[in-house]
Amino acid sequence: DQQVKQNSPSLSVQEGRISILNCDYTNSMFDYFLWYKKYPAEGPTFLISISSIKDKNEDGRFTVFLNKSAKHLSLHIVPSQPGDSAVYFCAGLYGGSQGNLIFGKGTKLSVKP
Amino acid sequence: DGGITQSPKYLFRKEGQNVTLSCEQNLNHDAMYWYRQDPGQGLRLIYYSQIVNDFQKGDIAEGYSVSREKKESFPLTVTSAQKNPTAFYLCASSIAANSPLHFGNGTRLTVT
Repeated sequence: DQQVKQNSPSLSVQEGRISILNCDYTNSMFDYFLWYKKYPAEGPTFLISISSIKDKNEDGRFTVFLNKSAKHLSLHIVPSQPGDSAVYFCAGLYGGSQGNLIFGKGTKLSVKP
Repeated sequence: DGGITQSPKYLFRKEGQNVTLSCEQNLNHDAMYWYRQDPGQGLRLIYYSQIVNDFQKGDIAEGYSVSREKKESFPLTVTSAQKNPTAFYLCASSIAANSPLHFGNGTRLTVT
């Protein structure tokens, strides 16, 4: 039973264009959503989060949108850069504890020069 | 530099042997976590600890054990009872239970 689903295993985008990474969830108890970025042979790094009471959060080139009625969130990267090429994990948090953090399987983003 | 150190980066063991993965942090974080990543899979929580001398099982704790005797250290033992131990293991910490995680660079364990 996957509570957090990233249905696209991979995404390829041209440098300078927008990258849109999607995430769906089934658990209505999630009160935060987080995105992590992971390069090969390294640990993930925290990128951006959004509270379940918000519908948008922006940090520089990264914006996360949340549609609670559709149980869907997306990460927009504008403009995309080759250094953004990595695996992006969506995660849902409930109960206020990282012990209740559920990760999706990740989407591998490739940004081509 | 503050951070999380996992050692070694690669570890090889024979089936039937227990093996302990090291995780040390100098971030002064209270909470520490162990995750496992398999190819094409998300991160799955093995164990976590919110304070010294206390820890809780995650989703896939069977075949693993941990200790938290010091704030800085959270070693993970992969026992011979773990049926599929070959994986990429990630240690993480957070300043509080509801704060984003800081990850180490992982240990790739191969058991043959």
